Amino acid sequence: GAVVSQHPSRVICKSGTSVKIECRSLDFQATTMFWYRQFPKKSLMLMATSNEGSKATYEQGVEKDKFLINHASLTLSTLTVTSAHPEDSSFYICSARASSLGTSGSPSYNEQFFGPGTRLTVL
Amino acid sequence: GENVEQHPSTLSVQEGDSAVIKCTYSDSASNYFPWYKQELGKRPQLIIDIRSNVGEKKDQRIAVTLNKTAKHFSLHITETQPEDSAVYFCAASHNQAGTALIFGKGTTLSVSS
Repeated sequence: GAVVSQHPSRVICKSGTSVKIECRSLDFQATTMFWYRQFPKKSLMLMATSNEGSKATYEQGVEKDKFLINHASLTLSTLTVTSAHPEDSSFYICSARASSLGTSGSPSYNEQFFGPGTRLTVL
Repeated sequence: GENVEQHPSTLSVQEGDSAVIKCTYSDSASNYFPWYKQELGKRPQLIIDIRSNVGEKKDQRIAVTLNKTAKHFSLHITETQPEDSAVYFCAASHNQAGTALIFGKGTTLSVSS
């Protein structure tokens, strides 16, 4: 089945440092990946759409200079939280949609697969 | 852009009862409507989805209905079990690989035995 991995699963850092989170599609190619942020007991809020080989598209209110996204290949997108502050503490989840229809057992065109999430705590 | 409303925010049922969660969407061009179950600290897991060319889909104890005219869709869980307790999210999007899912605010379902 389709698997999306995310690393690290948990990170604690000091205020002012930068943190990089990796999102990988392990067994399918993903032209597009998405980054969500989830506060405790809240819904998933779309932060940005990451497109392979081009600039990410950020949602309104999300600072592109603070949340740097790079999608260097069809299987890897990274989110870097720059100069992190305590208010950036959150659960960050990536997801990927398959680039094409697959054979039996492969991702279908619509389904979106989520990574396990990264718990960021900024002290 | 798309806006998804979800109700209720919390739902408590007795084991064996049915649970219904309802969502509405705003963008008439949306044509893909998945439902996710999320346990604390875990990733959302797809439990069922429906596309706009069908009105109902069922998978064992779980069913989803879609009313395109009214732009609402619902999740039905029958014979609920304690392990069904979790947060459930509805979502909507276009049927394109580059389109993100827009989520409802979630429903916390508690099934007591």
